[in-house]
Amino acid sequence: DAGVIQSPRHEVTEMGQEVTLRCKPISGHDYLFWYRQTMMRGLELLIYFNNNVPIDDSGMPEDRFSAKMPNASFSTLKIQPSEPRDSAVYFCASSKDRGRQNSWNEQFFGPGTRLTVL
Amino acid sequence: TQLLEQSPQFLSIQEGENLTVYCNSSSVFSSLQWYRQEPGEGPVLLVTVVTGGEVKKLKRLTFQFGDARKDSSLHITAAQPGDTGLYLCAGPTNTGNQFYFGTGTSLTVIP
Repeated sequence: DAGVIQSPRHEVTEMGQEVTLRCKPISGHDYLFWYRQTMMRGLELLIYFNNNVPIDDSGMPEDRFSAKMPNASFSTLKIQPSEPRDSAVYFCASSKDRGRQNSWNEQFFGPGTRLTVL
Repeated sequence: TQLLEQSPQFLSIQEGENLTVYCNSSSVFSSLQWYRQEPGEGPVLLVTVVTGGEVKKLKRLTFQFGDARKDSSLHITAAQPGDTGLYLCAGPTNTGNQFYFGTGTSLTVIP
C-alpha cells in the first residue's frame, strides 16, 4: 500500500507569494496531522483533523497559515503571503485513530515538502 | 522552551559502543513514543510506552518510561552504523489535545 503522499517535494518561492502544500493520507486513516520541522524549533504540530474536521489548530503560527481537508483523501496547507521565516520542511502524517484515551496511535509520516522562501 | 527536552543533542560514537538518550519534561505525559528519522524522510515509530515504569525492548534498543511519566530513556547496546539517525521522543500530555515532539538527538555511529 502507498504511504502518505506529499507534493511537491521541494518548493522554492519568493516572499509574498502564495504556497500550497498537498497531502494524501493513508486510506482508512481517520486522523491527519500537519507538522513543521526546523533546526531551531524542531518538529512542531501545526494542526490536525479527525474525519476531515479540524480538531486543534493551536499550533498554526499566524493567520497567514490555513489548512483544509475537503475529503478523507486530501488535505492542503496554504501559506499566504509567504515569508522567509516560513522556510522549513513540512510533514503530513496520518493515523488510524487516537487509540485508547490519551494514548495516541502510531503516526505515519510522508516524505515532507522542503519549502524555501527567498 | 520545549516541553520535551532531549539530551544529548548530538552524539557520535564508535560501532559497538553503548549509549543512552534521555527525554525529560516537567509535565506528565499519558504515553510516550520514540521515533527515528533518517535524512530526507519522515519519522518512523519505534515504540510506544504507556505505563509508568514500563520497560520495552526492541532487539538492541531498550526503552523505559519514568515512574512519574515525566521522562523516558532509550538505551542502545552495541551500536551499529544502521542506528544512525535523529531520535525523537513524542507524546500527548495528560491534560490536552496537543501532541509534542522532543528536541531530538542526532546519533552518528562510526564504523
